[in-house]
Amino acid sequence: SYDLIQPPSVSVPPGQTAIITCSGNKLSDKDVCWYQQRPGQSPVLVMYQNARRPSGIPERFSGSNSGNTATLTITGTQAMDEADYFCQAWDGSSGSVFGTGTKVTVL
Amino acid sequence: QVQLVQSGAEVKKPGASVRVSCKASGYTFSDHYVHWVRQAPGQGLEWMGIVDPLTGSTQFPPRFQDRVTLTRDPSTTTVYMELRSLTSEDTAVYYCAKTIEFRLSTAAFDFWGQGTLVTVSS
Repeated sequence: SYDLIQPPSVSVPPGQTAIITCSGNKLSDKDVCWYQQRPGQSPVLVMYQNARRPSGIPERFSGSNSGNTATLTITGTQAMDEADYFCQAWDGSSGSVFGTGTKVTVL
Repeated sequence: QVQLVQSGAEVKKPGASVRVSCKASGYTFSDHYVHWVRQAPGQGLEWMGIVDPLTGSTQFPPRFQDRVTLTRDPSTTTVYMELRSLTSEDTAVYYCAKTIEFRLSTAAFDFWGQGTLVTVSS
């Protein structure tokens, strides 16, 4: 099976940059997307095709994918960005695969 | 506006089956695949399968291949997920979600249902 590994937690002061990584074998060969999930809510797509922002997602969210690691960057992190973040990619053998998830704390 | 509205919470006994519905509106039903994802309490997201609303074809990961059925009713733009032989480990919130791109099964999920809590308890 194909695995996507994320750090369990990331802490960032307000206004600073949060960097969330997602690691998988030859991940740059795949399109990666990212979801934000606040407590008790459904996930929200914040990035797709590695670096494309859906309509309505603030410009402070950006993405990249190189080698074995995809990255979601939140520049100028705000309190409202505190949430769980999951990466996702499609693998030919495993189907849709989600990362292990990262809890972002703004403190 | 695009909406995916799921059926309400369920409580089931071990060994039973559950069926969750997902009514789509606000877009052309046949143009976007629908996936199902579940989330156990305090855990991450787990992909359960995909259905093509146009043809009804499905695909599942191995662990759900024998226990999950996905169907759709184009006349009501509703997708159904049935999970059989329930155990306590199936207690989770179940989500449906549509793909962002036209007729691309591997695309990201841009709209999600509100989730349906399924509790399995004796």
